[in-house]
Amino acid sequence: KQEVTQIPAALSVPEGENLVLNCSFTDSAIYNLQWFRQDPGKGLTSLLLIQSSQREQTSGRLNASLDKSSGRSTLYIAASQPGDSATYLCAVREDNFNKFYFGSGTKLNVKP
Amino acid sequence: DADVTQTPRNRITKTGKRIMLECSQTKGHDRMYWYRQDPGLGLRLIYYSFDVKDINKGEISDGYSVSRQAQAKFSLSLESAIPNQTALYFCATSDSRLSSYNEQFFGPGTRLTVL
Repeated sequence: KQEVTQIPAALSVPEGENLVLNCSFTDSAIYNLQWFRQDPGKGLTSLLLIQSSQREQTSGRLNASLDKSSGRSTLYIAASQPGDSATYLCAVREDNFNKFYFGSGTKLNVKP
Repeated sequence: DADVTQTPRNRITKTGKRIMLECSQTKGHDRMYWYRQDPGLGLRLIYYSFDVKDINKGEISDGYSVSRQAQAKFSLSLESAIPNQTALYFCATSDSRLSSYNEQFFGPGTRLTVL
């Protein structure tokens, strides 16, 4: 069974820092990996989706990389802002199945 | 207006009661999902539906049932609620016809408390 782990569980940084969030998965036979942002009391907002054939995706200050063979993905946030404070979740979709497995998230706090 | 809506947003109920959570979407997507989120455990898939006639069990379907009344509506039922079903429930959609068809879009969630 696929297991997805996110480390650290919580992270606090001063505004302006560049930071990296980590996601690892146990079964490399994935179809894609998706990064989400979750704000308190709200649903999940999709940030980036990386297909298994891709190495990275970028959107604004966010860059997500995927190393399928080693079972790892990173989300890089440049020049962090207080508005980036949220919980960040990664999810992997297995090959040939429309099942998604989520990590437990990294709670990010960006201090002004 | 939100593309994926869930009702109710909050619900408190008692053990043994039957409860239904509803999800509606205006995105025109064919695939819909129900997840629950527990602290420290991430989201876990309960049921998913590829179209109106296709319903599939997810990772933790015991104690739950679903109904896909229309392409835009997918409801989750707890036939006899128990306290360990207290959680945050999310509905999600995706579209098999898009190039990124496996990208999921989530509703705002329903916070369910079973006393």
